[in-house]
Amino acid sequence: DTGVSQNPRHKITKRGQNVTFRCDPISEHNRLYWYRQTLGQGPEFLTYFQNEAQLEKSRLLSDRFSAERPKGSFSTLEIQRTEQGDSAMYLCASSLGGRGGTNEKLFFGSGTQLSVL
Amino acid sequence: AQSVTQLGSHVSVSEGALVLLRCNYSSSVPPYLFWYVQYPNQGLQLLLKYTTGATLVKGINGFEAEFKKSETSFHLTKPSAHMSDAAEYFCAVSGARTGANNLFFGTGTRLTVIP
Repeated sequence: DTGVSQNPRHKITKRGQNVTFRCDPISEHNRLYWYRQTLGQGPEFLTYFQNEAQLEKSRLLSDRFSAERPKGSFSTLEIQRTEQGDSAMYLCASSLGGRGGTNEKLFFGSGTQLSVL
Repeated sequence: AQSVTQLGSHVSVSEGALVLLRCNYSSSVPPYLFWYVQYPNQGLQLLLKYTTGATLVKGINGFEAEFKKSETSFHLTKPSAHMSDAAEYFCAVSGARTGANNLFFGTGTRLTVIP
């Protein structure tokens, strides 16, 4: 068990550029979550996948954000035309979720810190 | 809807002293309650959780928390602080039988342990 892996650890970009982050979940986990954490705040839910299906998107996820999980393995989160307000830590978590929602245990990655200049 | 309020963004204790981190919740449905810890440069790690049953929940590293419905609280305690406990702690709430897409975190409390 290598845990949840996120790349890159840090990303600095200029406003208007596109960025893509990658998350590799624990291999047998069927659920994958993306959260955003800004300074002084707790993580906020963005979106999640059950296998390859994206089941829910938060209203925080504007049209500039897109997430994919091809083949139900790793996931990517892309932000187009980045804005300074996108600067945050982007966290990925995975779990072995059950049907109907259970008190699943989340395993978090270390996050990708995005700085938009 | 669910939310949590963590009282005190920073808490300092001496090594060996009692640790008390406060969390109050709001929930329109029976809550599940969680405490997560985040060490520097690491991901969040589950310390303990309350779902149903016994209201005093024991977690890893000697931490425990008590669910008090009448006070809508879920405070985290540890009898004796260790230097390795220095980290950021997050309280979180979800509705019973919902997934982590309905998990709401507090703003966190940074614990400093003074030698």
